[in-house]
Amino acid sequence: DTGVSQNPRHKITKRGQNVTFRCDPISEHNRLYWYRQTLGQGPEFLTYFQNEAQLEKSRLLSDRFSAERPKGSFSTLEIQRTEQGDSAMYLCASSLGTSGATQETQYFGPGTRLLVL
Amino acid sequence: AQTVTQSQPEMSVQEAETVTLSCTYDTSESDYYLFWYKQPPSRQMILVIRQEAYKQQNATENRFSVNFQKAAKSFSLKISDSQLGDAAMYFCANRGGADGLTFGKGTHLIIQP
Repeated sequence: DTGVSQNPRHKITKRGQNVTFRCDPISEHNRLYWYRQTLGQGPEFLTYFQNEAQLEKSRLLSDRFSAERPKGSFSTLEIQRTEQGDSAMYLCASSLGTSGATQETQYFGPGTRLLVL
Repeated sequence: AQTVTQSQPEMSVQEAETVTLSCTYDTSESDYYLFWYKQPPSRQMILVIRQEAYKQQNATENRFSVNFQKAAKSFSLKISDSQLGDAAMYFCANRGGADGLTFGKGTHLIIQP
């Protein structure tokens, strides 16, 4: 069990640039979640996948945010035309869940810290 | 909609003592789950303990236990025999549907040696 990994761990970009983050879940996990955590706050849920299907995306912060999980394994989160307000920690989590179940434990990655200048 | 409130931004406890972290929540779901996560400095978040809302018995994991008061929508975490390694941010979270977790703002726990 290698745990959830995220790359890069840190990203500095200029306002207006696009950025993409990658998350590799625990290998047998079928569910993958993205969260954003700003300073002094708890994580805020953005979107999640069950296998390759994106089951919830209404919580993405704007249409500049998009996520994919093309083969049901790793996932990417892209932010287009970054703004200074996008500076935050972006967390990924994975779990092994059955349909409709809510109790499974989510295992978190170390996060990608984004700074938009 | 779900909300989670942690009213203690910071708590301090002497090593080996007991500390209780508070959490209240609101949910419209009848079936939901509550969690406490720990986030050490510059390290990833890990699950401390979880509670199924339909269970009346309070969950316990070694030195960690919860006091779940369903009618009051309260879910506090008790840490017994506090250790230096317990120092971290602690987040209370709720999950009531198939979406992600709803987190509180966290409590910063300081352990005094």
